[in-house]
Amino acid sequence: GQNIDQPTEMTATEGAIVQINCTYQTSGFNGLFWYQQHAGEAPTFLSYNVLDGLEEKGRFSSFLSRSKGYSYLLLKELQMKDSASYLCALGSGNTGKLIFGQGTTLQVKP
Amino acid sequence: DAGITQSPRHKVTETGTPVTLRCHQTENHRYMYWYRQDPEHGLRLIHYSYGVKDTDKGEVSDGYSVSRSKTEDFLLTLESATSSQTSVYFCAIGLAGAMNEQFFGPGTRLTVL
Repeated sequence: GQNIDQPTEMTATEGAIVQINCTYQTSGFNGLFWYQQHAGEAPTFLSYNVLDGLEEKGRFSSFLSRSKGYSYLLLKELQMKDSASYLCALGSGNTGKLIFGQGTTLQVKP
Repeated sequence: DAGITQSPRHKVTETGTPVTLRCHQTENHRYMYWYRQDPEHGLRLIHYSYGVKDTDKGEVSDGYSVSRSKTEDFLLTLESATSSQTSVYFCAIGLAGAMNEQFFGPGTRLTVL
């Protein structure tokens, strides 16, 4: 299986840094994805890791360690608009299928 | 931006009735996916397609069927809707082949009474 675990909820302060963790148990996957989803809206792509290490995209960075079954999404300089759910997903097989975790709801407070 | 629409956006129906949801894309992408999203389970893959008339099952395919007779349209059918199929349904397209990011449509909120 591909059990994917994320914390259900997190709270952080505007301007701060927050790290959202994702752990998984799987026999193999192509890549690890992070999506953002605002309430009532569709998920939108944030980042993608294939190899171990850190991928940086502006205020957002994502890290992957395949040997540890672990990824995290790092959000810097938090803004109120970053309040959303963050979904971790594993890419499966050669047809682009994604298996999602249940997501972490982040609330940013002033 | 990838052009992807879903119709209807909202639907209320009764148990036992057939329901078809439509996903339409404007950019000729090969891969298309149907998901449902529920608070207790998150986002789960129902069916996917890797070309015209080429479809396969996802994690939660029971009670659902799909068809893809044209590249641009991917239909999801609930043959006999049940209350457990009340959910938000998202269609997605694979933007650049099988290994890359998916772009999601706006979603359809379905309520089965």
